[in-house]
Amino acid sequence: GAGVSQTPSNKVTEKGKYVELRCDPISGHTALYWYRQSLGQGPEFLIYFQGTGAADDSGLPNDRFFAVRPEGSVSTLKIQRTERGDSAVYLCASSLIARAGAAEQYFGPGTRLTVT
Amino acid sequence: ELKVEQNPLFLSMQEGKNYTIYCNYSTTSDRLYWYRQDPGKSLESLFVLLSNGAVKQEGRLMASLDTKARLSTLHITAAVHDLSATYFCAVDSGAGGTSYGKLTFGQGTILTVHP
Repeated sequence: GAGVSQTPSNKVTEKGKYVELRCDPISGHTALYWYRQSLGQGPEFLIYFQGTGAADDSGLPNDRFFAVRPEGSVSTLKIQRTERGDSAVYLCASSLIARAGAAEQYFGPGTRLTVT
Repeated sequence: ELKVEQNPLFLSMQEGKNYTIYCNYSTTSDRLYWYRQDPGKSLESLFVLLSNGAVKQEGRLMASLDTKARLSTLHITAAVHDLSATYFCAVDSGAGGTSYGKLTFGQGTILTVHP
């Protein structure tokens, strides 16, 4: 079956602009996660959704970052007033269930964001 | 705050040799994951370790978890070139039988296997 998909695969934007990154989870997965991976580092947790609600947004670096999942499936990560330090690969993952059993996370291919 | 440390960060191996990657973490957890990442690619799940003493094997890779020592190992047996990649361990913040879902990753170990 189809895995996690993310669009766009690459995004170049100018400092100060607004961007939206989209994630389409595996069908039937109720939990969805966003991570950010900088060059040479491990992924860093940003936010996760259980259904439509953000269960934990403690990893969002500041209020320029916001994410939604209005219908409990597709999610959009929104970044306002982008800064060069936001440049990274943004990874999305989904899993069957969080808070019970083994919530193995399946990762998408990522969106490489470059802020110039 | 949960911290996850891997060592070594860089590992250059000859084909046919054995080696172990270590993953230490700072707070109680009984859910640990190993992922593989090829250059420019996303993360591929290798192992899910769910309890103290868990051991999983797939091909030339074997992973184990010691929750009391807060240590997981990824052992490579008779390395081949195709194993060259970056390997990450990730610890779930949850404990007590429920999975929280928020993973904290180690820095990654870049493995290069050469002839």
